[in-house]
Amino acid sequence: DTAVSQTPKYLVTQMGNDKSIKCEQNLGHDTMYWYKQDSKKFLKIMFSYNNKELIINETVPNRFSPKSPDKAHLNLHINSLELGDSAVYFCASSYNRILRLAGNTDTQYFGPGTRLTVL
Amino acid sequence: EDQVTQSPEALRLQEGESSSLNCSYTVSGLRGLFWYRQDPGKGPEFLFTLYSAGEEKEKERLKATLTKKESFLHITAPKPEDSATYLCAVREAAGNKLTFGGGTRVLVKP
Repeated sequence: DTAVSQTPKYLVTQMGNDKSIKCEQNLGHDTMYWYKQDSKKFLKIMFSYNNKELIINETVPNRFSPKSPDKAHLNLHINSLELGDSAVYFCASSYNRILRLAGNTDTQYFGPGTRLTVL
Repeated sequence: EDQVTQSPEALRLQEGESSSLNCSYTVSGLRGLFWYRQDPGKGPEFLFTLYSAGEEKEKERLKATLTKKESFLHITAPKPEDSATYLCAVREAAGNKLTFGGGTRVLVKP
């Protein structure tokens, strides 16, 4: 069973193009995230949505726009791609209602990643 | 601002040679320290969550411990399949954000 899935796995495009990455989770979570992993392997949070509402918006160029049509999906649209956008983008999800009520923190589960290469 | 530092950056071990990875952190109110394993070309795979100083968790050859300033991931008698990058992350008391360290790349040679 695929828990957190992303498409596409690889994306190669020219500078200036607009592209989207899709993410879906079947874990029943209601919080989803986008992370960027650069060439030095640092994972940095970009955005987080809870029940379709934006709750984390780090310092990210406004060329990046997340969209959450429902709590199982969080897509990332990138306008006017630049060379520096080349990285691996990971989607994650969390928030189990039972654990939340028990006071435990929420474990984030990650997708397989999308490697974006901007030429 | 939360900071997470992992050491060493890379670790080469012989099969069976036990070792420890370090994760030092500064956070205003810890609400969970997470360990993940990441294989090349894949997403981080959850290993452990630790909530308070003194807590320990084990899974096969891995054992994670937590103090007020750092966490250790002990690998006992590692096997080649334990080769991966191990990531540490902290969640602060306010909010959902995870702050990751740079990871420790572990290579276990047969």
